[in-house]
Amino acid sequence: DSGVTQTPKHLITATGQRVTLRCSPRSGDLSVYWYQQSLDQGLQFLIQYYNGEERAKGNILERFSAQQFPDLHSELNLSSLELGDSALYFCASSVALDTQYFGPGTRLTVL
Amino acid sequence: SQQGEEDPQALSIQEGENATMNCSYKTSINNLQWYRQNSGRGLVHLILIRSNEREKHSGRLRVTLDTSKKSSSLLITASRAADTASYFCATDPIGGGGADGLTFGKGTHLIIQP
Repeated sequence: DSGVTQTPKHLITATGQRVTLRCSPRSGDLSVYWYQQSLDQGLQFLIQYYNGEERAKGNILERFSAQQFPDLHSELNLSSLELGDSALYFCASSVALDTQYFGPGTRLTVL
Repeated sequence: SQQGEEDPQALSIQEGENATMNCSYKTSINNLQWYRQNSGRGLVHLILIRSNEREKHSGRLRVTLDTSKKSSSLLITASRAADTASYFCATDPIGGGGADGLTFGKGTHLIIQP
């Protein structure tokens, strides 16, 4: 158990819908990272927040957004969902700027 | 595009044998990390090796790093059935300062036959 929690575990929704994924980092970790894992693209970095501020952006679509709240939990919002957004979404947290600890992931299925 | 590329894509060995996986990357790095992922589950951090280190050990794991060749290897000795998983290398590129996301390869799928 990494100490990072993600909810929900599974999410099934339809194209065009909007969903919110939630992540609680390890106690004391200020950085939260979001990743997407799909069969064709592999693991892709989406976005990072540090102590409430956006710190870095990766391959995140404009339809996706995230935020980190004062209690350091983070949410990833995915809107206008397409079939190709079906994937595992992971959040990771870190205190130092190297080792990242990953949550169990949210499996999103868009029908 | 992927920064790291693992080789082989898949590897099947007998329990008790050693397993070696390789990773090549493209740009200069601060560090390289190896992660394990059991089917459809979260990634587990195995080991981190910094750019000024050449070799590192952790239990049955041995990682080497050759920055001149931009490559790393992960050796798992005396493999066990529980080692069956996908193994990913991830790089923290210079300029990212560790603050950016890691760049992952596509992984090596390791199967340990009992």
